[in-house]
Amino acid sequence: AQSVTQLDSQVPVFEEAPVELRCNYSSSVSVYLFWYVQYPNQGLQLLLKYLSGSTLVESINGFEAEFNKSQTSFHLRKPSVHISDTAEYFCAVKEGGGADGLTFGKGTHLIIQP
Amino acid sequence: NAGVMQNPRHLVRRRGQEARLRCSPMKGHSHVYWYRQLPEEGLKFMVYLQKENIIDESGMPKERFSAEFPKEGPSILRIQQVVRGDSAAYFCASSPPSGGARAYEQYFGPGTRLTVT
Repeated sequence: AQSVTQLDSQVPVFEEAPVELRCNYSSSVSVYLFWYVQYPNQGLQLLLKYLSGSTLVESINGFEAEFNKSQTSFHLRKPSVHISDTAEYFCAVKEGGGADGLTFGKGTHLIIQP
Repeated sequence: NAGVMQNPRHLVRRRGQEARLRCSPMKGHSHVYWYRQLPEEGLKFMVYLQKENIIDESGMPKERFSAEFPKEGPSILRIQQVVRGDSAAYFCASSPPSGGARAYEQYFGPGTRLTVT
């Protein structure tokens, strides 16, 4: 069975500084990887996904994540954060060809300080 | 194009009562998933349904919990004889038919926050 570890429960960052949110997974088979963002009292929104091909994937709002198979990681990065990026970020994995439910990490609360 | 709809947004039940949570998927989506989020935890997969079929219920508690997705109408997550430990946010997600650029994308509703007193 797969699992997802998000090492940091909270990450405080100053506005316009870079940020990296870490995500590691464990699985014995090929996986698909996702980052979701959750704003207060809202559902999750898909930020970006890796299915195959280029290991670097980007979102429309400046986030990017790189799939590293040897390190079983899918860290999320942004070169310059904004106050509006304050939210909970969840990493999720789905086994290729397996059951369709996603396995989520516990989440990282990104706190942007002015 | 409306997103995934869930109602009610907040539900308060006394111990021993029944809770019914509803989910209407996005237009054109035929796959529905239910997840539970406990405080300070990530989402835990509960069940995956297609119209009139339960595909994967490996995350559902063995007792008191059931789910359905009828041919007409919303998907229902039903919790009988609720206990305090059932207090959580319950999220529904839907996805389009398999294949294509949107493959494996799940779109989440705003959630139902269940409080058991």
